Amino acid sequence: EDQVTQSPEALRLQEGESSSLNCSYTVSGLRGLFWYRQDPGKGPEFLFTLYSAGEEKEKERLKATLTKKESFLHITAPKPEDSATYLCAVQTYNTDKLIFGTGTRLQVFP
Amino acid sequence: NAGVTQTPKFRVLKTGQSMTLLCAQDMNHEYMYWYRQDPGMGLRLIHYSVGEGTTAKGEVPDGYNVSRLKKQNFLLGLESAAPSQTSVYFCASSYLAGNRFFGPGTRLTVL
Repeated sequence: EDQVTQSPEALRLQEGESSSLNCSYTVSGLRGLFWYRQDPGKGPEFLFTLYSAGEEKEKERLKATLTKKESFLHITAPKPEDSATYLCAVQTYNTDKLIFGTGTRLQVFP
Repeated sequence: NAGVTQTPKFRVLKTGQSMTLLCAQDMNHEYMYWYRQDPGMGLRLIHYSVGEGTTAKGEVPDGYNVSRLKKQNFLLGLESAAPSQTSVYFCASSYLAGNRFFGPGTRLTVL
């Protein structure tokens, strides 16, 4: 069965304290891995799509990486405005559907 | 360019009542989706559509119906609401099966 697991469930960081969020997956043929940011009371907002092991993408203080078993979302020198829930989702070649993880709730305090 | 919009934003129903959630997108996307989001669970797909006039079941379709009469609109119906349908509902659209663009959500409470 295709599965996506995100860790940790929650993360508290001081402003400027870099860290990483993990998304591990077991799927039959990865087509793509998606990262989203979700602010309270809002819909998920697209960040990145990764397609093959070794691929990396960056946006401001965020960098997403992909291996054959997991993806990391690295946050460098975070600011309070980076506080949000980060969701990852995988898409397989068997189906067009996205399988979502339960998310990591990040809090960055001054 | 509004993207994906949903109405209403909030709704409270009594058990057994019916309602329809409306989703509209102005990006000319073929694919549209309805998800529900519950605490401690990932977004789960209820129904989806790959084009005007088509619908298909997702992961958790029971108790819901959908219609896609126009390309830009996707309606989600609850015929007889149950407390287990208390959730936040998100509509999304995509160009073919790519990245999903999400709406702002509808918070539904069933008493």
